[in-house]
Amino acid sequence: NAGVTQTPKFRVLKTGQSMTLLCAQDMNHEYMYWYRQDPGMGLRLIHYSVGEGTTAKGEVPDGYNVSRLKKQNFLLGLESAAPSQTSVYFCASSGWAGELFFGEGSRLTVL
Amino acid sequence: SQQGEEDPQALSIQEGENATMNCSYKTSINNLQWYRQNSGRGLVHLILIRSNEREKHSGRLRVTLDTSKKSSSLLITASRAADTASYFCATYSSGNTPLVFGKGTRLSVIA
Repeated sequence: NAGVTQTPKFRVLKTGQSMTLLCAQDMNHEYMYWYRQDPGMGLRLIHYSVGEGTTAKGEVPDGYNVSRLKKQNFLLGLESAAPSQTSVYFCASSGWAGELFFGEGSRLTVL
Repeated sequence: SQQGEEDPQALSIQEGENATMNCSYKTSINNLQWYRQNSGRGLVHLILIRSNEREKHSGRLRVTLDTSKKSSSLLITASRAADTASYFCATYSSGNTPLVFGKGTRLSVIA
């Protein structure tokens, strides 16, 4: 049972490049989330989804886009990467008001 | 903005001692959850306490919730070196809002 899988695990980008992070869950969860984690800042919510075809903005959505075309997948896109987006990105999934299951993280460096 | 604030930010204890971490939050909640994060890994759910519960136990973990003071505490008894990690509280507000995390407490257990 894989749980929540994130790809890629590591990526280095140059400023202005674009990329997509993929999150896949096999628990049939309705809710999926993208967080970023920076030193001293804890986890901050970027975007989330309450079901297939839906997305909503979190605390820090600027510079990111998301899509939830299939229930099991939640994609996070950076259209034009900036150094401020250097971070560790975590995807998670859950049922309603339940515990979150996290992936192992994707470490992104923007030069 | 972050809903939960953990205290202390960092805690260092000897193996065998108890570790207590506190969490304060701002608005009414549906439930409060505690998570653990080992260095470089994803977060792992530890325990969930609902707003109508006052105390919950799981193995060496004891969580209390005081909704009148908008605070919770996590007690780890007889700590082990393997308990070294960051611990986060997270809250679900009433309604269909996503989980919001605090900045965490870094616990170091010295053997």
